[in-house]
Amino acid sequence: NAGVTQTPKFRILKIGQSMTLQCAQDMNHNYMYWYRQDPGMGLKLIYYSVGAGITDKGEVPNGYNVSRSTTEDFPLRLELAAPSQTSVYFCASSYYTRTGQNYGYTFGSGTRLTVV
Amino acid sequence: AQKITQTQPGMFVQEKEAVTLDCTYDTSDQSYGLFWYKQPSSGEMIFLIYQGSYDEQNATEGRYSLNFQKARKSANLVISASQLGDSAMYFCAMRADGYGNKLVFGAGTILRVKS
Repeated sequence: NAGVTQTPKFRILKIGQSMTLQCAQDMNHNYMYWYRQDPGMGLKLIYYSVGAGITDKGEVPNGYNVSRSTTEDFPLRLELAAPSQTSVYFCASSYYTRTGQNYGYTFGSGTRLTVV
Repeated sequence: AQKITQTQPGMFVQEKEAVTLDCTYDTSDQSYGLFWYKQPSSGEMIFLIYQGSYDEQNATEGRYSLNFQKARKSANLVISASQLGDSAMYFCAMRADGYGNKLVFGAGTILRVKS
């Protein structure tokens, strides 16, 4: 199993450019999440999805957009990149049954983004 | 809203000794879960241990144990017999059971194991 795959691993953007961070999971997980981690800090939730076609804002959604057209993929779009978006971005997935049973969270290896 | 507090920005421990990393949480929910993750310098998030709010026994996973004190709202991680490879950032996180089952993270504690 590949688990959660994030691409690219590193990227440098210029101010005002746009890009999409890719996230794919092959575990048939229904829940997916995007977090950002600023230097020396914990992870903050950007967006999440409880299933294909359903997305919701997290704690820090400004400047980002997401879509979930399939169960497997959950791309994060940055429009008009700003230096404040310099961070490490983690995608995570999880599986919840209808009765609320959960089997933990799987994280991708992260994308390190620098905006200059 | 849920909140996780890790009050120790950095800790040192001698190799082979035990160390406790503190975590307190704030929630009004009755059902929740508590997690500890390890983040080495390579950056990946490694799951260590989980405690459910209704679990009566403290969770243990090998050298890791979670000291769960529900009334105090604390979920401290105990690492026994520290190894050099334990040097990393450690995050406490809480899952609020509800729509989205989102994880909320603390700011982390950097642990350095000395030889």
